[in-house]
Amino acid sequence: KNEVEQSPQNLTAQEGEFITINCSYSVGISALHWLQQHPGGGIVSLFMLSSGKKKHGRLIATINIQEKHSSLHITASHPRDSAVYICAVSANAGNMLTFGGGTRLMVKP
Amino acid sequence: DAGITQSPRHKVTETGTPVTLRCHQTENHRYMYWYRQDPGHGLRLIHYSYGVKDTDKGEVSDGYSVSRSKTEDFLLTLESATSSQTSVYFCAISTLGGNTEAFFGQGTRLTVV
Repeated sequence: KNEVEQSPQNLTAQEGEFITINCSYSVGISALHWLQQHPGGGIVSLFMLSSGKKKHGRLIATINIQEKHSSLHITASHPRDSAVYICAVSANAGNMLTFGGGTRLMVKP
Repeated sequence: DAGITQSPRHKVTETGTPVTLRCHQTENHRYMYWYRQDPGHGLRLIHYSYGVKDTDKGEVSDGYSVSRSKTEDFLLTLESATSSQTSVYFCAISTLGGNTEAFFGQGTRLTVV
């Protein structure tokens, strides 16, 4: 069993829909990261969380430490949100990341 | 982008040849990492560095070596490239370790033929 599991693996939505991507992990962590990767592109950090909730524009990330679960929400989705979203956790002082398998999101106009 | 530059961005090489990928950062971050990204496996840690001349192995280090002689440069060497090392390689940095944000380079697409 992977230490970091994401669901769903693939997600297709219509423009304007509310989107949720889930991440569960099985190890103790110091922080959880949400990353975005556009096709053929680099990896961009969206959020780093150790507790609670963070919001940036239409993106919201939450984490429940007790349940070892995090969610990434996208409100009013847009085709430019189409990308792979990756959950990753860091568990020690070296801050090495362990990654989930990613969620491929396609938002149709 | 936290001033991270990877070179080359694309490379095709023959089996058995040595290959060196370079990661350069401009902001004196202590921690640097090399990851590889493969379909079905996601991103996995190859090696990392926590200071000049201080490096350690990651999950998939076999066939790779690294060097960090200056804070700003972290080199990844494939000692004798194999087809299984065809991948996209990402360099990343974090500022202090612990609860700090990670920043990634643009990636290097390596094809071993």
